[in-house]
Amino acid sequence: SQQGEEDPQALSIQEGENATMNCSYKTSINNLQWYRQNSGRGLVHLILIRSNEREKHSGRLRVTLDTSKKSSSLLITASRAADTASYFCATDSSNTGKLIFGQGTTLQVKP
Amino acid sequence: GAVVSQHPSWVICKSGTSVKIECRSLDFQATTMFWYRQFPKQSLMLMATSNEGSKATYEQGVEKDKFLINHASLTLSTLTVTSAHPEDSSFYICSARDREASAIAKNIQYFGAGTRLSVL
Repeated sequence: SQQGEEDPQALSIQEGENATMNCSYKTSINNLQWYRQNSGRGLVHLILIRSNEREKHSGRLRVTLDTSKKSSSLLITASRAADTASYFCATDSSNTGKLIFGQGTTLQVKP
Repeated sequence: GAVVSQHPSWVICKSGTSVKIECRSLDFQATTMFWYRQFPKQSLMLMATSNEGSKATYEQGVEKDKFLINHASLTLSTLTVTSAHPEDSSFYICSARDREASAIAKNIQYFGAGTRLSVL
């Protein structure tokens, strides 16, 4: 069963605005990752945050992790039209390398 | 680096035929590859974990005789959808982990571009 739940399911913003997506999960994790998927394509890894980390940055991306609440957020600052895509969180809870993906947030950035 | 090639990108076949999808890691070795299925506007559902030189591990509810997985080398895994039927129509995506990656980076999966299967 899918572990991650994401909200919102869909988000539409203007270029230049910030976009925040949230992910909740159910069991303890080793790490949490965020991936991006352009329509009809494969996924691209964005960022990984370990269970003992609280915040991580990569360019315009900022990820937070609250293990007490079993939740994570992805913030994209100064969004661009090219950021339009679906964003998925994925949790790694085992030592098998299997990832459980959330339902995803579809982001539309209007130029 | 870390490029995964998936072929074909799109296939249309008649009901009852078998379809093979290839997943190759182009610039790294992958001891572990994963096969996912994705329905429109939904998340990825893990079908199986493919380990080089051993049998694939299938997720609950996935028919191993229906979805044959072979991982014959460190850079190639194949998924064969046998006797395909219209309900098998879907988007299939593979991913791979880099065998030589550092400890934490080993958890990152690199994805192919996906294969859209349409069974008539």
